[in-house]
Amino acid sequence: EAGVAQSPRYKIIEKRQSVAFWCNPISGHATLYWYQQILGQGPKLLIQFQNNGVVDDSQLPKDRFSAERLKGVDSTLKIQPAKLEDSAVYLCASSKRAPGQVNTEAFFGQGTRLTVV
Amino acid sequence: KNEVEQSPQNLTAQEGEFITINCSYSVGISALHWLQQHPGGGIVSLFMLSSGKKKHGRLIATINIQEKHSSLHITASHPRDSAVYICAGTGTSYGKLTFGQGTILTVHP
Repeated sequence: EAGVAQSPRYKIIEKRQSVAFWCNPISGHATLYWYQQILGQGPKLLIQFQNNGVVDDSQLPKDRFSAERLKGVDSTLKIQPAKLEDSAVYLCASSKRAPGQVNTEAFFGQGTRLTVV
Repeated sequence: KNEVEQSPQNLTAQEGEFITINCSYSVGISALHWLQQHPGGGIVSLFMLSSGKKKHGRLIATINIQEKHSSLHITASHPRDSAVYICAGTGTSYGKLTFGQGTILTVHP
């Protein structure tokens, strides 16, 4: 079974530029998560999709971050414009979680390491 | 205040030693996940447990629901076990994972 695929693996941009990350979850997984992990800290949830609907984006800085999952499969996360403090690893994860189900195992991608200079 | 507290933050061991990493969690969390993250790598799910004990190879995870405490044990540790180990809880709305701070484990040969 293929895992969660993310691209690119690494990205270096200047502040105020834009960047986009792509995630392809495990086939059949309805739930998709985007996490931000700053060096030395645990991951922080940015947004959670159930199919193509957003169920939690309370910690997404909506003035500069956006995410979509138009067909309920692949997802993109965009930052526009980037700030220095956005330097982090952006992790995508997916799970089979069905609506109302609380505890399911999440599978993570390799992450995209973003450096903003 | 984080709902998941992990200790120790850093752990150094000699090859072959028995290792324990602890995790305490708050009310509302009904399952604990143990995750492993290698430098520069993604996160791998090791265990998800809501009661009792699970074992996979040299890894053992236990959870005490009454005390809201979970432990990850590594028997006969090896340098390739060096990684960051993270516990995370679910049980809040929508199955959101709440992460602990992580434990950086270094096993010396």
